[in-house]
Amino acid sequence: GDSVTQMEGPVTLSEEAFLTINCTYTATGYPSLFWYVQYPGEGLQLLLKATKADDKGSNKGFEATYRKETTSFHLEKGSVQVSDSAVYFCALILDNNNDMRFGAGTRLTVKP
Amino acid sequence: DTEVTQTPKHLVMGMTNKKSLKCEQHMGHRAMYWYKQKAKKPPELMFVYSYEKLSINESVPSRFSPECPNSSLLNLHLHALQPEDSALYLCASSQEGGSGDLQETQYFGPGTRLLVL
Repeated sequence: GDSVTQMEGPVTLSEEAFLTINCTYTATGYPSLFWYVQYPGEGLQLLLKATKADDKGSNKGFEATYRKETTSFHLEKGSVQVSDSAVYFCALILDNNNDMRFGAGTRLTVKP
Repeated sequence: DTEVTQTPKHLVMGMTNKKSLKCEQHMGHRAMYWYKQKAKKPPELMFVYSYEKLSINESVPSRFSPECPNSSLLNLHLHALQPEDSALYLCASSQEGGSGDLQETQYFGPGTRLLVL
């Protein structure tokens, strides 16, 4: 079935370090791909998205490129801040389908 | 405006109580969702309403009863819950129908943190 696999956490980085959180997907069709972020005690916020191959989503210094050939949507940021500490969820949804599939989530802690 | 609001923010209830969670959006979205999220886990889909009709029910126990009074409101009625139902309950909404890259994006509320004693 359609699913998302993201790297196991937790991830701990120092401020200004480079971040990569890997995400790969399995889907029968052509999904739209998303990254959501969840800060402690809060709901999910849409961070970025891409709806077709080679699209790059970007927001707040985060980027992810939809790679159809490797079925991946890895999240990157060049220089993380303490305020980026949160749980990051990769997700997919297929065309004309309301069923969003989430990865397990990756907890990021950024230390000063 | 991409705001989904949920009330209450926190709820503590006994196993014999009846309570309701409320969700509201004014983005003109016609699909609304309830998710359950346990600690350190991703959200799990419970229900989907599309044009105010229940379109997906992910085999949720009958002690959870959703209701969509109109296109802006979504309720989740709770009755005779168990301690294992304690979780963060998230509401989300999205556009519905047609095509275009905004159709599928789900916008989430802040959640209701439920504790069942």
